[in-house]
Amino acid sequence: AQKVTQAQTEISVVEKEDVTLDCVYETRDTTYYLFWYKQPPSGELVFLIRRNSFDEQNEISGRYSWNFQKSTSSFNFTITASQVVDSAVYFCALSDSSGYSTLTFGKGTMLLVSP
Amino acid sequence: DTEVTQTPKHLVMGMTNKKSLKCEQHMGHRAMYWYKQKAKKPPELMFVYSYEKLSINESVPSRFSPECPNSSLLNLHLHALQPEDSALYLCASSQDTSGASNTGELFFGEGSRLTVL
Repeated sequence: AQKVTQAQTEISVVEKEDVTLDCVYETRDTTYYLFWYKQPPSGELVFLIRRNSFDEQNEISGRYSWNFQKSTSSFNFTITASQVVDSAVYFCALSDSSGYSTLTFGKGTMLLVSP
Repeated sequence: DTEVTQTPKHLVMGMTNKKSLKCEQHMGHRAMYWYKQKAKKPPELMFVYSYEKLSINESVPSRFSPECPNSSLLNLHLHALQPEDSALYLCASSQDTSGASNTGELFFGEGSRLTVL
């Protein structure tokens, strides 16, 4: 069975601080996919990144960066120089090789960025 | 703006009412999904349609009835709901259900917030 753990329920930071959201996953599959989604108060889940299990390269996109470490089954997400607009709930998710039908979400981390 | 459109955005209904939630996408996606999300919880998968056929029903009560009239539309018919069914209902679509699809994205709508009185 798949499992995603986001141990941080809520994080509060002041604007311009860096913040890291943790994600630890469990799966028995050798091929799997990891995701991060952002859910602002409007409700829509916004896709941020997808990473497959064979690609351990870290990725940077603007102020966002992701650190994927298979050895520790972690896929952490860092926001550099946080902004108020980053305030949202962030979900880490995992699917096996059969795809999106098996997408398992973590419980989410609420990020509050204050001015 | 999201490319998955859900209507209505808000719905209040009584336990004896019959209503429907609608979802539309024009990205040519062949897989569509219904998720249910309670407050402060992650989304939970309800149904998956692949090429207009129901491929997954996650043991959802029969008071929720999905329908996929064509590849762009997905409905969720609601009847005799309970107050505990109040939640945000999210529709999503993807190129197909395969994890290896080249876009890698599952597109979500903004959701329909349902309140059952």
